[in-house]
Amino acid sequence: DVKVTQSSRYLVKRTGEKVFLECVQDMDHENMFWYRQDPGLGLRLIYFSYDVKMKEKGDIPEGYSVSREKKERFSLILESASTNQTSMYLCASGEQGPSYEQYFGPGTRLTVT
Amino acid sequence: QKEVEQNSGPLSVPEGAIASLNCTYSDRVSQSFFWYRQYSGKSPELIMSIYSNGDKEDGRFTAQLNKASQYVSLLIRDSQPSDSATYLCAVNRYNQGGKLIFGQGTELSVKP
Repeated sequence: DVKVTQSSRYLVKRTGEKVFLECVQDMDHENMFWYRQDPGLGLRLIYFSYDVKMKEKGDIPEGYSVSREKKERFSLILESASTNQTSMYLCASGEQGPSYEQYFGPGTRLTVT
Repeated sequence: QKEVEQNSGPLSVPEGAIASLNCTYSDRVSQSFFWYRQYSGKSPELIMSIYSNGDKEDGRFTAQLNKASQYVSLLIRDSQPSDSATYLCAVNRYNQGGKLIFGQGTELSVKP
């Protein structure tokens, strides 16, 4: 079974703090993704990576950065957390092809106060 | 026009009935199609993937793909209250590598 784990299920941070969300997958997938999910807005792609040390912006990268130093680990960084970054953050990993199936971690519900 | 469209629902069906969930997509070069189930407060779980025109069956689930009509559906036979969830349709386009485009999801409620 594919296993994607995220460092925290719930996180509360203060405005202006630097926040690290970590994601680890055990399936040797090349692709890893960070999404956020908000009511009424659906899943929105923040950043993704097709390889170690490689990153590409998704649809809403502003206010976020990422790091992929090892194949199995993909970190999302909020440089200076703001209240509008309160959300559910979902990490996914997936195959390069041809199937492109993605598998999600359990999610981190982040609250910024 | 949204790239992937689903009726938001809620779709309500009685226990034991067939639930039919529909999804349309705008880009003809889409090549891979997925259905995810998401329970409230949980993360999406992949339940079906389909790549060729026609039907694909897995237990009580059947995915149907019609590329000419740009339409993919999910049928759930013998619906159970435990099937109550939001179902997300996702599409991979030929030139987008591993990126998926997700619909907004259809909420399904199965009444005992």
